Amino acid sequence: AQRVTQPEKLLSVFKGAPVELKCNYSYSGSPELFWYVQYSRQRLQLLLRHISRESIKGFTADLNKGETSFHLKKPFAQEEDSAMYYCALSSQGAQKLVFGQGTRLTINP
Amino acid sequence: GAGVSQTPSNKVTEKGKYVELRCDPISGHTALYWYRQSLGQGPEFLIYFQGTGAADDSGLPNDRFFAVRPEGSVSTLKIQRTERGDSAVYLCASSPRQGGEQFFGPGTRLTVL
Repeated sequence: AQRVTQPEKLLSVFKGAPVELKCNYSYSGSPELFWYVQYSRQRLQLLLRHISRESIKGFTADLNKGETSFHLKKPFAQEEDSAMYYCALSSQGAQKLVFGQGTRLTINP
Repeated sequence: GAGVSQTPSNKVTEKGKYVELRCDPISGHTALYWYRQSLGQGPEFLIYFQGTGAADDSGLPNDRFFAVRPEGSVSTLKIQRTERGDSAVYLCASSPRQGGEQFFGPGTRLTVL
């Protein structure tokens, strides 16, 4: 069975500090991993996907197949990063996304 | 351009009633998805359409839930004999192709009293 675990429901850091949102997954094949973000009063939107290997808004995430993790990182948090973050997995041949329960990130001034 | 739209934005109904939730995908998007998000949880997959056909309906919780997409564009999620446990935000997403980025709508908040 596919499962995505985000161990932290809430994460609070100060502006300018590094931030890491943890994501672990279970899937026996080759998954595709995503991070979605939902800002206050906005709809869910894609932040980044591992196959594109892009850095979006200063965020990066590396797929670690050995540890089955896809942690989201940013070296210097900004107040506008405050949002709900969801890690998601798509399995080979399937189109659906399996989401974690989400982490609410708050950046304190 | 216009994104995915969903109507109504809020729906309050009584236990046992029938409801329909509508999704208008981005024009030209062939793939359409329905998810359900309960309070404090991430979205949970319900059903996926490629064109007019349901390619994967493995997430529908029981036979009270049904979805259609008759012309390959607008989709309707139908829930019969609603139960209080059906209360959630129902999200729709569309994608220009299989495996492409999914663009989400604002959701319909369903409350079953």
